[in-house]
Amino acid sequence: NAGVTQTPKFRILKIGQSMTLQCTQDMNHNYMYWYRQDPGMGLKLIYYSVGAGITDKGEVPNGYNVSRSTTEDFPLRLELAAPSQTSVYFCASSPLSGDGNTIYFGEGSWLTVV
Amino acid sequence: AQSVTQLDSHVSVSEGTPVLLRCNYSSSYSPSLFWYVQHPNKGLQLLLKYTSAATLVKGINGFEAEFKKSETSFHLTKPSAHMSDAAEYFCVVSLSGTYKYIFGTGTRLKVLA
Repeated sequence: NAGVTQTPKFRILKIGQSMTLQCTQDMNHNYMYWYRQDPGMGLKLIYYSVGAGITDKGEVPNGYNVSRSTTEDFPLRLELAAPSQTSVYFCASSPLSGDGNTIYFGEGSWLTVV
Repeated sequence: AQSVTQLDSHVSVSEGTPVLLRCNYSSSYSPSLFWYVQHPNKGLQLLLKYTSAATLVKGINGFEAEFKKSETSFHLTKPSAHMSDAAEYFCVVSLSGTYKYIFGTGTRLKVLA
């Protein structure tokens, strides 16, 4: 009963490095999302996808890129990491309809940029 | 436009006493409303959801919430707090069939022994 799986759980990056956060879901959901969570700020949407091959920017997309080549996978790429990208990142998915529009989250990825 | 306001950033209760976490929402259409819980260093777990069926919604771990359209509220309650309830709670509003989920800023619940 995997749901949404994201890796890595923890990562330390140096300023200017790049990395990819991996995300996969096994619920055949159309929608997938990347959020970042900063203390006291709730969750902010970085990018989302409504299906394979379709992605769009959320509220805070600068410094990130995504791709959606399959229904299951939605990796988030950080280019030229900056200290402002230190945050907790959550991948999530939801069905196009049904299930009360419930959104399901991965366990999170804690990223520190030093 | 949709929005959600969690009225308390921190709530402290004694173990065995009732819990009330407050959430007000704003939505032009009939929304879906959710409460999620986040334990330290964990992801967000669904507690309960309202999707225009019964206005009193029961969730996991003894939590429930009541949808009050006239007050635009969706407060989360539990009759008796347990130490394991200490966590951060998020109220979320969504329009069915859309990608948009609006998150409150969270309420951190502390349970005192």
